[in-house]
Amino acid sequence: LAKTTQPISMDSYEGQEVNITCSHNNIATNDYITWYQQFPSQGPRFIIQGYKTKVTNEVASLFIPADRKSSTLSLPRVSLSDTAVYYCLVGEAAGNKLTFGGGTRVLVKP
Amino acid sequence: KAGVTQTPRYLIKTRGQQVTLSCSPISGHRSVSWYQQTPGQGLQFLFEYFSETQRNKGNFPGRFSGRQFSNSRSEMNVSTLELGDSALYLCASSDPGLANGEQFFGPGTRLTVL
Repeated sequence: LAKTTQPISMDSYEGQEVNITCSHNNIATNDYITWYQQFPSQGPRFIIQGYKTKVTNEVASLFIPADRKSSTLSLPRVSLSDTAVYYCLVGEAAGNKLTFGGGTRVLVKP
Repeated sequence: KAGVTQTPRYLIKTRGQQVTLSCSPISGHRSVSWYQQTPGQGLQFLFEYFSETQRNKGNFPGRFSGRQFSNSRSEMNVSTLELGDSALYLCASSDPGLANGEQFFGPGTRLTVL
């Protein structure tokens, strides 16, 4: 599976947009990009998945440039409850062997 | 539907003992994966079971084993516990019919080895 690199931590304030960029230079042709969110003492939760261009759901948007060597998770108008660790994963869409990196710890302040 | 459930939620054992953790997947999900989460190593894949067969395996020693029953419930066992086995053990289930392979995680079992 392609290795991913993302910032260790980010701070933001309520109501702001948070953008987390993930680098995956060795992404393979059939790899998808998936993001999970994890709150303390809970299991991770699927946020969004994409292959190219832009994907949007009720929670977030995922922007993937044409070369697919990076991707950006965008969380619009964050609230305190969005404080969590966000993981970027790269691999087969339906792969059941998830490889988690270090994740990005997002702290939303009042 | 009920979510993924794991029992027990907390467990304290001593070195050398063995432990069995249980996971009940979401109804209809036939794939169950196990992960270990520690502050130092992060989230690491242990193994995955599908239709009672181990389909994928991570890089863990043979002391870590698992099985899946006909009702898709799964158990993992750790024998000869070591201090380093202290971790949050997470179970996730998925529906092979979902194209995005979304995994649904349980709350985890917090294992402390003394």
